[in-house]
Amino acid sequence: DAKTTQPNSMESNEEEPVHLPCNHSTISGTDYIHWYRQLPSQGPEYVIHGLTSNVNNRMASLAIAEDRKSSTLILHRATLRDAAVYYCIPYYYGGATNKLIFGTGTLLAVQP
Amino acid sequence: DAGVIQSPRHEVTEMGQEVTLRCKPISGHNSLFWYRQTMMRGLELLIYFNNNVPIDDSGMPEDRFSAKMPNASFSTLKIQPSEPRDSAVYFCASSPTGKSGNTIYFGEGSWLTVV
Repeated sequence: DAKTTQPNSMESNEEEPVHLPCNHSTISGTDYIHWYRQLPSQGPEYVIHGLTSNVNNRMASLAIAEDRKSSTLILHRATLRDAAVYYCIPYYYGGATNKLIFGTGTLLAVQP
Repeated sequence: DAGVIQSPRHEVTEMGQEVTLRCKPISGHNSLFWYRQTMMRGLELLIYFNNNVPIDDSGMPEDRFSAKMPNASFSTLKIQPSEPRDSAVYFCASSPTGKSGNTIYFGEGSWLTVV
């Protein structure tokens, strides 16, 4: 499994953009990059995923480096509800097994 | 649509007692997962099922833990006998298929305290 490195914690102000980085230098060519987040006292929830191109959805954007060794999750306007632990997970797509292995993630604090 | 439903939400039990955690996956989902979360070890995958069959139980900590999935809409995780170090949040999750890359949907967790 590819290793990931994320900052332990980050802070942001409400209504400002947040860029959450992730290094995954050992990612294989077939691994997608998935992001999940875990709000306080809840189970993790899917945020976004991508392979090579930048991706956008209603929750966030994902910017993937050209060499795929790093990616950045972008929250365009942080809200208090975005305070959570964010997990970056390289994830082989289409294989026979569907194991999602979590690292330690980044704890995002959002200040009003 | 109802999400993954877990019960009980909270349980406090005495060391040595049997604990049974229950899970109802999202209807139509073929894969089911049990995770455990503690401060020390983070989120750990204990076991997962495809089409009610256990595929990988390498994360199950020891023989005191067992998991079953008698049908597509129900699974249990049992700890017998329970120990204080089993105190954790146990999450059940499901996904549409067993193929990797499918989004995995988590329940709200069962908060277990063993005293």
